[in-house]
Amino acid sequence: QVQLVQSGAEVKKPGSSVKVSCKASGGNFSSYAISWVRQAPGQGLEWMGRITPIPGIIKYGQKFQGRVTITADKSTSTAYMELSSLRFEDTAEYYCARSIRWGGYYMDVWGKGTTVTVSS
Amino acid sequence: QSALTQPASVSGSPGQSITISCTGTSSDVGSYSFVSWYQQHPGKAPKLMIYEGSKRPSGVSNRFSGSKSGNTASLTISGLQVEDEADYYCCSYADTITVFGGGTKLTVL
Repeated sequence: QVQLVQSGAEVKKPGSSVKVSCKASGGNFSSYAISWVRQAPGQGLEWMGRITPIPGIIKYGQKFQGRVTITADKSTSTAYMELSSLRFEDTAEYYCARSIRWGGYYMDVWGKGTTVTVSS
Repeated sequence: QSALTQPASVSGSPGQSITISCTGTSSDVGSYSFVSWYQQHPGKAPKLMIYEGSKRPSGVSNRFSGSKSGNTASLTISGLQVEDEADYYCCSYADTITVFGGGTKLTVL
């Protein structure tokens, strides 16, 4: 079964960047997409974007366009999400999730989340 | 892209049935059969409950069912149990991107 293991918690200063990793084990990394979803404290889920390693298609949510970069390393089955120009309101839990291409990219396996705190 | 619209909260007693609505537009819910629903307990990652509008992943109780009519999708939970108390989010494919609903807090009284 596919498992997604995310990197550890981060504390960042406003204006800096954070890069979160998501390593997949089990399954064929090239056969599905990886989505990134964030959840601010007490708030709902927000879709940030998605990468389909093959053929390398990346889509971003309008809110994050220009500030987020999603990449994937097929050799290590790891996806990355980098968010730049951090603001206090970017403090949130960041999740990666396996997305099934042929079903409208529903997310059937989730990582446990990475806490990102933006603090001066 | 606007978020899908869900009621902020719903409640029910054990054994009862409840329905959570999810209203989108002709650009998302109305155009695709790709609505999914997620359950989230406090401090936990979301869990897929329904995909492609009405399909249940292996291991999800058949008390959970999904449907769609026009621009509105619905999640129905029958035979409510205490452990169903959680937040529920709908999600739709929307012309290459994905959009979530604002979430609904289900309270089992």
